[in-house]
Amino acid sequence: DTAVSQTPKYLVTQMGNDKSIKCEQNLGHDTMYWYKQDSKKFLKIMFSYNNKELIINETVPNRFSPKSPDKAHLNLHINSLELGDSAVYFCASSQDRTPSHTGELFFGEGSRLTVL
Amino acid sequence: AQRVTQPEKLLSVFKGAPVELKCNYSYSGSPELFWYVQYSRQRLQLLLRHISRESIKGFTADLNKGETSFHLKKPFAQEEDSAMYYCALLSNTGKLIFGQGTTLQVKP
Repeated sequence: DTAVSQTPKYLVTQMGNDKSIKCEQNLGHDTMYWYKQDSKKFLKIMFSYNNKELIINETVPNRFSPKSPDKAHLNLHINSLELGDSAVYFCASSQDRTPSHTGELFFGEGSRLTVL
Repeated sequence: AQRVTQPEKLLSVFKGAPVELKCNYSYSGSPELFWYVQYSRQRLQLLLRHISRESIKGFTADLNKGETSFHLKKPFAQEEDSAMYYCALLSNTGKLIFGQGTTLQVKP
């Protein structure tokens, strides 16, 4: 029973294309996140949504647009892909609005995006 | 600025040797700190949180406010401990800020 699932796991595409990564959680959590892990394994938050409302929006190019149709889904759409967008994108969820005292985020397996 | 630093990218030890994965933080106030682990082909998952003062899989981490550190320790490393370890800080805006990660390699 997968808790946080992302699709696709691997995505190879050309510069300039538009692509989406989907994320779904079946934990009943209120908050979902997107993190980016770069080539140096540095893990950085991009966005978070609480009950479909955007609550964290880091300094991310506006080519990246998250969409949350309901609290169980958070998709990431990227326009005009650039070489520097190549990374592993992780979706995560937490029970509350923030990880709070538990600090527990539940992560998906990651989606490796390669831009050629 | 709120920040987490893991100075070692790679830590390689032999089985049975003690392990210490370093983590330093920058935060004004009382920090909430965590260690996450990612085993090969598995998801990133919470290992332990300082507020619980717990020992998980033989690992412990003590918050040292004077040195602003939260190092992860284990007295005797096992091969199955080989993984990527991330130290994380809960920011005052509710974001979990991760360090750069340290790969622990335990050799037989």
